[in-house]
Amino acid sequence: EIVLTQSPATLSLSPGERATLSCRTSQTVSSYLAWYQQRPGQAPRLLIYDASNRATGIPARFSGGGSGTVFTLTISSLEPEDFAVYYCQQQTNWPPRITFGQGTRLEIK
Amino acid sequence: QVQLQQWGAGLLKPSETLSLTCDVSGGSLSGYYWSWIRQPPGKGLEWIGEINHRGSTNYNPSLKSRVTISVDTSKNQFSLRVSSVIAADTAIYYCARVVWPTRYNYYMDVWGKGTTVTVSS
Repeated sequence: EIVLTQSPATLSLSPGERATLSCRTSQTVSSYLAWYQQRPGQAPRLLIYDASNRATGIPARFSGGGSGTVFTLTISSLEPEDFAVYYCQQQTNWPPRITFGQGTRLEIK
Repeated sequence: QVQLQQWGAGLLKPSETLSLTCDVSGGSLSGYYWSWIRQPPGKGLEWIGEINHRGSTNYNPSLKSRVTISVDTSKNQFSLRVSSVIAADTAIYYCARVVWPTRYNYYMDVWGKGTTVTVSS
């Protein structure tokens, strides 16, 4: 079973700072990875797909990168509404098995 | 713009069957898979399974024995049933639209608001 490990578990930063979140997979399955944002009390929202493509309506300060087993989500300058939990996700098997990372909580410092 | 509205019973006793429905408005079921995901209190996301408009399904092996996902194309809805629920099935359940252009390129671009399900005697 492929495991997605996100780091750090919690990231404490101030508005205006740059945030870099990591997602590592236990095996190389593909270079496809998605990132989601979940604000308190809300459903997850798709931010990034195909590792680096922003979803519709997502601000340019969000960017994704990486391939193989290491992927990153970068928020260039944090806005107050960006403090939330972020999850990475891959389709890792056949028959399909959808796997999420355990999440990174981005909190205000 | 596609929207997902979901509903179902929120309080169940152990051994009962969880039943949720997700209504798809502003678009068709065709051309996509439609998924269920759950989130236990204070924890992360767990994929439950998915279905397409033809009724083809995939399930998380850890839940497969108790889960049934079905589709009603006449109503543009899909549904989740989980039998013999236990306390560990307590979670927020989300429905979502799946974009799946190639075998490993898979993501969920539209989500329902979630339904809280509590299992308690």
